[in-house]
Amino acid sequence: DTEVTQTPKHLVMGMTNKKSLKCEQHMGHRAMYWYKQKAKKPPELMFVYSYEKLSINESVPSRFSPECPNSSLLNLHLHALQPEDSALYLCASSRETGQAGTDTQYFGPGTRLTVL
Amino acid sequence: KNQVEQSPQSLIILEGKNCTLQCNYTVSPFSNLRWYKQDTGRGPVSLTIMTFSENTKSNGRYTATLDADTKQSSLHITASQLSDSASYICVATGGSQGNLIFGKGTKLSVKP
Repeated sequence: DTEVTQTPKHLVMGMTNKKSLKCEQHMGHRAMYWYKQKAKKPPELMFVYSYEKLSINESVPSRFSPECPNSSLLNLHLHALQPEDSALYLCASSRETGQAGTDTQYFGPGTRLTVL
Repeated sequence: KNQVEQSPQSLIILEGKNCTLQCNYTVSPFSNLRWYKQDTGRGPVSLTIMTFSENTKSNGRYTATLDADTKQSSLHITASQLSDSASYICVATGGSQGNLIFGKGTKLSVKP
């Protein structure tokens, strides 16, 4: 199973709502990632978890709150978002992080988020 | 500054034709280079991954080359199909934390 799953596929929320994005993988990967991708732009790294510990936070605003409950799950909690936060949010996983040689990052299909 | 540049920005070809996409990277220290295919609104899918010691790698109709001396890579697509229409993203792994450094992608359209 080389699949990363993400739910929901689409999410529309108001600026006062609280919602969560979910990501799951069962490949035994110990590194998981959140990316944000705006239209016609490459993905931008937000967070990296290594062995369920947050290892990288790319200066992401606190209205985005990641959580890694176990080695297979990664959540992104959303609160008080702005319309400019509308984007495709991608989850990815790999065996390890850092200078890991040829470890491939496997991406999920993404969650299309629209903030009204 | 670590960066990856791709050309062309977009490309239109007829079904059955071949094409080559280019990637130049400035990443130090350099670990490996990957090509991803991304359909609109979907997550990227890995096509190839090469370390600095590898010159070429194939995956079906996709062949990637890497010249570590000139820091250039190319992705050659043979006998294109309509389903090849997508964005192709060149990604270099490296830097102090081994992060992925993404190019802006080449948007390929294959027309019948």
